Amino acid sequence: EADIYQTPRYLVIGTGKKITLECSQTMGHDKMYWYQQDPGMELHLIHYSYGVNSTEKGDLSSESTVSRIRTEHFPLTLESARPSHTSQYLCASSPRDFSYEQYFGPGTRLTVT
Amino acid sequence: AQSVTQPDIHITVSEGASLELRCNYSYGATPYLFWYVQSPGQGLQLLLKYFSGDTLVQGIKGFEAEFKRSQSSFNLRKPSVHWSDAAEYFCAVGAQSSVKLVFGAGTILRVKS
Repeated sequence: EADIYQTPRYLVIGTGKKITLECSQTMGHDKMYWYQQDPGMELHLIHYSYGVNSTEKGDLSSESTVSRIRTEHFPLTLESARPSHTSQYLCASSPRDFSYEQYFGPGTRLTVT
Repeated sequence: AQSVTQPDIHITVSEGASLELRCNYSYGATPYLFWYVQSPGQGLQLLLKYFSGDTLVQGIKGFEAEFKRSQSSFNLRKPSVHWSDAAEYFCAVGAQSSVKLVFGAGTILRVKS
Protein backbone atom coordinates (compact mmCIF):
# COMPACT_ATOMS: atom_id res chain seq x y z
CA GLU A 1 0.00 0.00 0.00
CA ALA A 2 1.29 3.42 -0.96
CA ASP A 3 2.16 5.93 1.71
CA ILE A 4 1.24 9.44 0.72
CA TYR A 5 1.18 12.38 3.07
CA GLN A 6 -0.33 15.80 2.97
CA THR A 7 0.26 18.75 5.25
CA PRO A 8 -1.40 20.66 6.66
CA ARG A 9 -4.61 18.68 7.04
CA TYR A 10 -6.61 21.81 7.77
CA LEU A 11 -5.74 25.42 7.01
CA VAL A 12 -7.69 28.62 7.63
CA ILE A 13 -6.05 31.64 6.12
CA GLY A 14 -6.89 35.20 5.18
CA THR A 15 -7.35 36.59 1.71
CA GLY A 16 -4.17 37.57 -0.08
CA LYS A 17 -1.84 35.21 1.76
CA LYS A 18 0.55 32.93 -0.07
CA ILE A 19 0.15 29.26 0.83
CA THR A 20 1.84 26.02 -0.07
CA LEU A 21 0.16 22.66 0.35
CA GLU A 22 2.65 19.86 0.79
CA CYS A 23 2.40 16.37 -0.68
CA SER A 24 4.96 13.61 -0.32
CA GLN A 25 4.97 9.93 -1.20
CA THR A 26 7.42 7.26 -0.18
CA MET A 27 6.73 4.64 -2.86
CA GLY A 28 8.90 6.07 -5.60
CA HIS A 29 5.89 6.63 -7.85
CA ASP A 30 6.60 8.55 -11.02
CA LYS A 31 3.21 10.14 -11.50
CA MET A 32 1.56 12.52 -9.07
CA TYR A 33 -1.71 14.42 -9.16
CA TRP A 34 -3.61 17.21 -7.45
CA TYR A 35 -7.40 17.12 -7.33
CA GLN A 36 -9.85 19.68 -6.04
CA GLN A 37 -12.95 18.38 -4.33
CA ASP A 38 -16.03 20.34 -3.30
CA PRO A 39 -18.89 18.80 -1.27
CA GLY A 40 -21.28 16.77 -3.40
CA MET A 41 -19.13 17.20 -6.46
CA GLU A 42 -16.80 14.97 -8.39
CA LEU A 43 -13.06 15.30 -8.02
CA HIS A 44 -11.49 17.59 -10.57
CA LEU A 45 -7.91 17.16 -11.72
CA ILE A 46 -6.04 20.46 -11.49
CA HIS A 47 -2.40 19.43 -11.94
CA TYR A 48 -0.36 16.33 -12.65
CA SER A 49 3.20 15.32 -13.20
CA TYR A 50 4.82 12.46 -15.12
CA GLY A 51 8.03 12.76 -13.13
CA VAL A 52 10.79 15.13 -12.06
CA ASN A 53 10.65 18.49 -13.85
CA SER A 54 7.33 17.58 -15.47
CA THR A 55 4.13 19.46 -14.66
CA GLU A 56 0.87 19.61 -16.59
CA LYS A 57 -2.40 21.42 -16.09
CA GLY A 58 -5.45 19.30 -15.50
CA ASP A 59 -9.01 19.54 -16.69
CA LEU A 60 -10.10 22.20 -14.22
CA SER A 61 -8.52 25.61 -14.52
CA SER A 62 -6.75 26.60 -11.35
CA GLU A 63 -4.80 29.64 -10.21
CA SER A 64 -2.46 27.40 -8.29
CA THR A 65 0.97 26.29 -9.45
CA VAL A 66 2.97 23.14 -8.78
CA SER A 67 6.56 22.01 -8.95
CA ARG A 68 8.29 18.63 -9.10
CA ILE A 69 11.93 18.94 -8.19
CA ARG A 70 12.10 15.60 -6.41
CA THR A 71 10.27 12.38 -7.22
CA GLU A 72 8.68 12.15 -3.80
CA HIS A 73 7.53 15.75 -3.44
CA PHE A 74 4.77 17.61 -5.33
CA PRO A 75 3.81 20.86 -3.58
CA LEU A 76 0.95 23.10 -4.67
CA THR A 77 1.18 26.87 -4.23
CA LEU A 78 -1.36 29.65 -4.24
CA GLU A 79 0.34 33.02 -4.55
CA SER A 80 -2.64 35.00 -3.28
CA ALA A 81 -5.44 33.06 -1.65
CA ARG A 82 -9.05 34.07 -2.24
CA PRO A 83 -12.34 32.80 -0.77
CA SER A 84 -13.05 31.05 -4.08
CA HIS A 85 -10.06 28.81 -3.33
CA THR A 86 -11.86 27.33 -0.34
CA SER A 87 -12.03 23.60 -1.04
CA GLN A 88 -10.49 20.25 -0.25
CA TYR A 89 -7.29 19.44 -2.10
CA LEU A 90 -6.33 15.81 -2.60
CA CYS A 91 -2.92 14.60 -3.72
CA ALA A 92 -2.44 11.22 -5.39
CA SER A 93 0.33 9.19 -6.96
CA SER A 94 0.58 6.18 -9.23
CA PRO A 95 3.41 3.88 -10.32
CA ARG A 96 4.96 4.07 -13.78
CA ASP A 97 3.66 0.72 -14.95
CA PHE A 98 0.19 1.03 -13.50
CA SER A 99 -0.76 4.63 -13.93
CA TYR A 100 -4.46 4.06 -13.49
CA GLU A 101 -4.16 2.80 -9.96
CA GLN A 102 -3.94 6.01 -8.00
CA TYR A 103 -3.23 6.19 -4.29
CA PHE A 104 -4.59 9.17 -2.40
CA GLY A 105 -3.41 11.21 0.53
CA PRO A 106 -5.77 12.29 3.32
CA GLY A 107 -6.36 15.72 1.82
CA THR A 108 -5.98 19.33 2.91
CA ARG A 109 -9.12 21.25 3.73
CA LEU A 110 -8.45 24.89 2.91
CA THR A 111 -10.65 27.75 4.07
CA VAL A 112 -9.88 31.28 2.91
CA THR A 113 -11.62 34.00 4.87
CA ALA B 1 -14.20 12.20 -23.53
CA GLN B 2 -15.05 9.95 -20.64
CA SER B 3 -17.81 10.72 -18.16
CA VAL B 4 -19.23 8.99 -15.12
CA THR B 5 -22.71 9.18 -13.66
CA GLN B 6 -23.67 8.05 -10.20
CA PRO B 7 -27.44 8.47 -10.17
CA ASP B 8 -27.89 8.22 -6.41
CA ILE B 9 -26.59 11.08 -4.28
CA HIS B 10 -27.62 9.42 -1.02
CA ILE B 11 -28.53 5.84 -0.14
CA THR B 12 -29.62 4.55 3.26
CA VAL B 13 -29.60 0.84 4.06
CA SER B 14 -30.09 -1.13 7.22
CA GLU B 15 -27.15 -2.90 8.75
CA GLY B 16 -27.02 -6.44 7.42
CA ALA B 17 -28.97 -5.61 4.28
CA SER B 18 -27.52 -5.91 0.80
CA LEU B 19 -26.18 -2.92 -1.09
CA GLU B 20 -25.91 -1.90 -4.70
CA LEU B 21 -24.44 1.43 -5.79
CA ARG B 22 -24.94 2.37 -9.40
CA CYS B 23 -22.35 3.68 -11.82
CA ASN B 24 -22.75 4.40 -15.52
CA TYR B 25 -19.92 5.53 -17.70
CA SER B 26 -19.45 6.94 -21.14
CA TYR B 27 -16.39 5.98 -23.10
CA GLY B 28 -15.87 4.78 -26.64
CA ALA B 29 -13.43 1.97 -25.98
CA THR B 30 -12.95 -0.55 -23.21
CA PRO B 31 -12.60 1.50 -20.06
CA TYR B 32 -10.59 1.01 -16.94
CA LEU B 33 -13.06 1.21 -14.06
CA PHE B 34 -12.59 1.85 -10.38
CA TRP B 35 -14.49 2.21 -7.16
CA TYR B 36 -13.04 4.30 -4.34
CA VAL B 37 -14.35 4.90 -0.83
CA GLN B 38 -13.85 8.05 1.21
CA SER B 39 -14.51 8.20 4.92
CA PRO B 40 -15.12 11.62 6.49
CA GLY B 41 -11.95 13.68 6.66
CA GLN B 42 -9.95 11.09 4.76
CA GLY B 43 -8.57 10.57 1.30
CA LEU B 44 -9.84 8.04 -1.18
CA GLN B 45 -9.11 4.34 -0.78
CA LEU B 46 -9.23 2.01 -3.77
CA LEU B 47 -11.88 -0.70 -3.29
CA LEU B 48 -11.55 -2.54 -6.59
CA LYS B 49 -10.69 -2.14 -10.24
CA TYR B 50 -11.54 -3.62 -13.61
CA PHE B 51 -9.13 -3.66 -16.52
CA SER B 52 -10.09 -6.73 -18.52
CA GLY B 53 -11.09 -10.37 -18.18
CA ASP B 54 -13.67 -11.61 -15.72
CA THR B 55 -16.43 -9.04 -15.53
CA LEU B 56 -17.11 -9.73 -11.87
CA VAL B 57 -14.31 -8.33 -9.76
CA GLN B 58 -13.72 -8.75 -6.08
CA GLY B 59 -12.37 -6.00 -3.89
CA ILE B 60 -11.48 -5.29 -0.33
CA LYS B 61 -13.92 -5.20 2.59
CA GLY B 62 -16.26 -7.72 0.95
CA PHE B 63 -17.19 -5.52 -2.01
CA GLU B 64 -17.61 -6.68 -5.59
CA ALA B 65 -18.54 -5.00 -8.84
CA GLU B 66 -19.76 -6.23 -12.18
CA PHE B 67 -18.83 -4.72 -15.52
CA LYS B 68 -21.70 -4.81 -18.01
CA ARG B 69 -20.59 -3.49 -21.36
CA SER B 70 -24.08 -3.58 -22.87
CA GLN B 71 -25.36 -1.31 -20.12
CA SER B 72 -22.19 0.78 -19.72
CA SER B 73 -22.39 0.05 -16.04
CA PHE B 74 -20.07 -0.91 -13.22
CA ASN B 75 -22.27 -1.31 -10.16
CA LEU B 76 -20.81 -1.93 -6.73
CA ARG B 77 -22.37 -4.54 -4.46
CA LYS B 78 -22.04 -5.95 -1.00
CA PRO B 79 -24.23 -8.77 0.34
CA SER B 80 -24.35 -7.56 3.95
CA VAL B 81 -23.56 -3.99 4.95
CA HIS B 82 -21.79 -3.13 8.20
CA TRP B 83 -22.10 0.17 10.04
CA SER B 84 -18.45 0.87 9.25
CA ASP B 85 -19.30 0.94 5.53
CA ALA B 86 -20.96 4.33 5.96
CA ALA B 87 -18.90 6.63 3.73
CA GLU B 88 -18.91 8.25 0.31
CA TYR B 89 -18.27 6.05 -2.70
CA PHE B 90 -16.82 7.25 -5.98
CA CYS B 91 -16.82 5.50 -9.31
CA ALA B 92 -14.07 6.46 -11.74
CA VAL B 93 -13.13 5.68 -15.33
CA GLY B 94 -9.76 5.83 -17.00
CA ALA B 95 -8.79 5.71 -20.64
CA GLN B 96 -6.02 3.59 -22.09
CA SER B 97 -4.42 6.61 -23.69
CA SER B 98 -4.40 8.85 -20.64
CA VAL B 99 -3.13 8.90 -17.08
CA LYS B 100 -6.21 10.81 -15.96
CA LEU B 101 -9.17 9.42 -14.06
CA VAL B 102 -12.64 10.90 -14.38
CA PHE B 103 -14.74 10.64 -11.25
CA GLY B 104 -18.44 10.58 -10.63
CA ALA B 105 -20.00 12.94 -8.10
CA GLY B 106 -20.15 10.23 -5.45
CA THR B 107 -22.85 8.40 -3.50
CA ILE B 108 -23.13 8.90 0.24
CA LEU B 109 -24.01 5.69 2.01
CA ARG B 110 -25.77 5.84 5.37
CA VAL B 111 -26.21 2.69 7.42
CA LYS B 112 -28.98 2.53 9.97
CA SER B 113 -28.96 0.09 12.84
